[in-house]
Amino acid sequence: GAGVSQSPSNKVTEKGKDVELRCDPISGHTALYWYRQSLGQGLEFLIYFQGNSAPDKSGLPSDRFSAERTGGSVSTLTIQRTQQEDSAVYLCASSPGTGGYEQFFGPGTRLTVL
Amino acid sequence: EDQVTQSPEALRLQEGESSSLNCSYTVSGLRGLFWYRQDPGKGPEFLFTLYSAGEEKEKERLKATLTKKESFLHITAPKPEDSATYLCAVQSYAGNNRKLIWGLGTSLAVNP
Repeated sequence: GAGVSQSPSNKVTEKGKDVELRCDPISGHTALYWYRQSLGQGLEFLIYFQGNSAPDKSGLPSDRFSAERTGGSVSTLTIQRTQQEDSAVYLCASSPGTGGYEQFFGPGTRLTVL
Repeated sequence: EDQVTQSPEALRLQEGESSSLNCSYTVSGLRGLFWYRQDPGKGPEFLFTLYSAGEEKEKERLKATLTKKESFLHITAPKPEDSATYLCAVQSYAGNNRKLIWGLGTSLAVNP
């Protein structure tokens, strides 16, 4: 079956612009996660959705970052007024939510802020 | 505080030379320990879940084991296509949080 998909695969933007990153999870997966991975760094947790609600937003770096999920499916991560330090690979993962906690990852969106 | 430490940071093997990667963890009640493989420019690929001490799982040349303090990923007779970064993560029972705590990974290079 189809895996997790993310778009765009690459995004180059200018400092101060807003960007939206999209994640389509595996069909039927109720849990969805956003991570950030900088070069040579580990996976940094950003936010977790169960259904359309976000029980844990503790990893969002600042109020410039927000995320939503609609219909228990697609999620969008929005970064407002981008800064150069936002440059990273943004990864999305989904999980069945019941009976299995494994997370299945998408290919990521590489964000470059000039 | 929940923590995951992986060692070594990098490992270079000759094809056919077996070895083990280590994942040490401290967690307030282990729900599960996960191993992933990550190739450059790609998202992590799920390999194994281990739930309790003594559990073992195998897939091709890989075997994962778990104790109360650490997990090992044994690689038997590796091939160049096994070259990747191997990530370990744990999930605790604390709270209602499904967040995984990640190690920094071991970068494995297998030379032909």
